[in-house]
Amino acid sequence: RKEVEQDPGPFNVPEGATVAFNCTYSNSASQSFFWYRQDCRKEPKLLMSVYSSGNEDGRFTAQLNRASQYISLLIRDSKLSDSATYLCVVNRGSYIPTFGRGTSLIVHP
Amino acid sequence: SQTIHQWPATLVQPVGSPLSLECTVEGTSNPNLYWYRQAAGRGLQLLFYSVGIGQISSEVPQNLSASRPQDRQFILSSKKLLLSDSGFYLCAWRLERWGGYTFGSGTRLTVV
Repeated sequence: RKEVEQDPGPFNVPEGATVAFNCTYSNSASQSFFWYRQDCRKEPKLLMSVYSSGNEDGRFTAQLNRASQYISLLIRDSKLSDSATYLCVVNRGSYIPTFGRGTSLIVHP
Repeated sequence: SQTIHQWPATLVQPVGSPLSLECTVEGTSNPNLYWYRQAAGRGLQLLFYSVGIGQISSEVPQNLSASRPQDRQFILSSKKLLLSDSGFYLCAWRLERWGGYTFGSGTRLTVV
């Protein structure tokens, strides 16, 4: 089993749709979690951290389920500009990050 | 504010030639530093990380090496490039234990 697994997609959704991505991890001792966004041929950029209690930033909601070892990202009211690849990151130990391969999102008019 | 610089942006090198990519961080001290590679259509592969000057940990045995000669400088090197070394090389840093990682703008390396 890979350390971090994501459905590669692509997820093809219309503007205004709600879309959710999941990311599973294998190491139960993982300590911190993040979602990143990567545009084509660009560096990844931090979208949001993921906290045990769940957290929200505008249209984006992130959740962590430690019992089932997955994190999720929910995007509401999708915009064309949300089209990108979304990477989940799981910290193995306190400073060793493992990135998922990413989920591609395409938002169409 | 903290910034991370990575250069060059694009590089085309012949097989067998040496490589040196440099990454520097400004506005902070004692950051954790990372080198990643992303092959075309693939995920990010952690190559090296460093938690202090002169300290390097290698994640994947390969044709590359890394050094950290100064607190905020991280260098990725190779003595002889292979075709399989082509990819998008990204440097990243992290300060706080629970903070996220910030990436440089990357170097797109093509070995020909």
